[in-house]
Amino acid sequence: EPEVTQTPSHQVTQMGQEVILRCVPISNHLYFYWYRQILGQKVEFLVSFYNNEISEKSEIFDDQFSVERPDGSNFTLKIRSTKLEDSAMYFCASNSGAASTDTQYFGPGTRLTVL
Amino acid sequence: AQSVSQHNHHVILSEAASLELGCNYSYGGTVNLFWYVQYPGQHLQLLLKYFSGDPLVKGIKGFEAEFIKSKFSFNLRKPSVQWSDTAEYFCAVTGYGGSQGNLIFGKGTKLSVKP
Repeated sequence: EPEVTQTPSHQVTQMGQEVILRCVPISNHLYFYWYRQILGQKVEFLVSFYNNEISEKSEIFDDQFSVERPDGSNFTLKIRSTKLEDSAMYFCASNSGAASTDTQYFGPGTRLTVL
Repeated sequence: AQSVSQHNHHVILSEAASLELGCNYSYGGTVNLFWYVQYPGQHLQLLLKYFSGDPLVKGIKGFEAEFIKSKFSFNLRKPSVQWSDTAEYFCAVTGYGGSQGNLIFGKGTKLSVKP
């Protein structure tokens, strides 16, 4: 069964450094998402992406964040200058349709630790 | 603002016990409702979803959920749990219609089933 994959599984970085989290969505999916979960808190929506542009973003997704689909398979989340409060689990998801009823398929997550 | 509340942080049951996990949502319009499960070390995966029709929805692995519109609830049930149901369970909602599929999650309920 096709899966969403994410790399790395764990990333440790120093405050102020840039990080890029990578995701490979399911191959025939067209809609991509990033979510994050700070330890002990809810899974929160960050951004959705379709047709090479952002569809929607939350207030968390400020100028420090960007997303890109650099080729036909990868979907990346970049944090330009990490802060301590960016430490969280970051989940990528994808689905094939735009409807709000369509099932999103999640990757295993990348645990980001900012020191 | 849309929100999802899950009443129980951690539920501990013995095998064969019945399960009910509470979920309430706050949303100004028609919603689509989801239960996701995360088994230890695995991805978030869909258990079941409701968007229209019969308010009693059946999902995988013997789970079901009932949408009660008047109570803004979508509780998850299973008549007899197994040790393999040990996992974290997340209730989520999206707004009805449109192209905005971003999921709003509850905080999750950790279920521990004792053999």
